[in-house]
Parts: sequence; C-alpha cells; structure tokens
Amino acid sequence: GAVVSQHPSRVICKSGTSVKIECRSLDFQATTMFWYRQFPKQSLMLMATSNEGSKATYEQGVEKDKFLINHASLTLSTLTVTSAHPEDSSFYICSARPLAGDHNEQFFGPGTRLTVL
Amino acid sequence: GQNIDQPTEMTATEGAIVQINCTYQTSGFNGLFWYQQHAGEAPTFLSYNVLDGLEEKGRFSSFLSRSKGYSYLLLKELQMKDSASYLCAVTDSNYQLIWGAGTKLIIKP
Repeated sequence: GAVVSQHPSRVICKSGTSVKIECRSLDFQATTMFWYRQFPKQSLMLMATSNEGSKATYEQGVEKDKFLINHASLTLSTLTVTSAHPEDSSFYICSARPLAGDHNEQFFGPGTRLTVL
Repeated sequence: GQNIDQPTEMTATEGAIVQINCTYQTSGFNGLFWYQQHAGEAPTFLSYNVLDGLEEKGRFSSFLSRSKGYSYLLLKELQMKDSASYLCAVTDSNYQLIWGAGTKLIIKP
C-alpha cells in the first residue's frame, strides 16, 4: 500500500513552453502533498505544500506564478512549470501525506526528470 | 535557524559496517527519518525515530538522542547495492520535513 505515482517520469521541452507534472496517491487519500526539487548532487528542496481544496503554500524564493500547483482532489496534485527555461531543468519529486495514519508519514513518488532545452 | 548536518561523503568496504551521523537544530521535533536515495531516483524510507534509543530493521539500525540532537544510521554487512545517498530529515513543530544535504556512501569491493 501507500503508492504514489508521478507522470511523466521524464520530459524534455523547449524553452518557453509549459510542462505539467501529475502526482497521484494510488491507494490512499492525501490531505497534503509536497513538491520538491532536487538539483544534481544536492539535497531535496521543498518548493511548496499543497492542501486539497486550498491554495498552495510556497517556500521563500519559489515563484508561485511560475510554478502553478493545483490540488483538486484527495488523490491528485499537479505542478505546472510555466514558460520553462533551462535553469528549471531539475528532478521534481512529490510526496503525499495520508488522510489517515501517522501525521508524520510521507510517501514519495518516483520523481520527474525535466530537461529544458 | 534550522540546520541538519551530516557528512558529505563516506567510503566503506563490502561486508563491513558503517555509521552515518546526523546532528540537528530545529524549531521543535516530531521525529527523525532516514531515507536512501539512489542516483536519479526518489528517496525511499528506511527508518523513523521519535523516541530515544535504537531501532533495528534487518541490516539497518537507527539511533536517536533527542537531548543531544543526534542520530546515526548503522549499516551492517554492507553490499554493493548499498552505494547511495543517505538523507537525514527531521519533522519540526509544524510537521514539516527539514532535510539534510545527504551523505554519499561509496562501497568498495
């Protein structure tokens, strides 16, 4: 149980285009989903926290108009990178906190590798 | 501020034992996690400590001392597949995960 999927797993796009990444909790409902970004040889950096039905909370330095987050249901959150540029190339990982269970639990998706040309 | 420190890189020999240390200063404490991350993959859960003491799970053990703000991950009978980054993360008073930079573990034959 407690499986989180991400789609796509890998995407290559041209500079200036927008890319949507989906994060789904497959066998549980998630009140909260987290979006992380990881650059090569660096640790995970929390970008934003999204709660179902409300606006996402962005970390300092993360542009909310560039990284649009939608958490429309208890099993789906999406991250849209708008007008992507090469510096946005990174590994994007989502995690989900179950509605029921330990408040500490987070389950991670497999990640999405974004390359912007 | 919030801070988690762990060594950047460690090297160990196949079959041996290695201990990866983690110290933390956070606003509140609601548990400490260890994750394993292979290159190009998402982190996978290894262990969770919220009370002082040692938690053993197969070849991996994790220890916590809340008074010292200190934890370690102990890996026994090292295998080549254990080569990965090991991330220490602490849940603060707002139940937000604060991440360490990770320790890259290199296993040599």
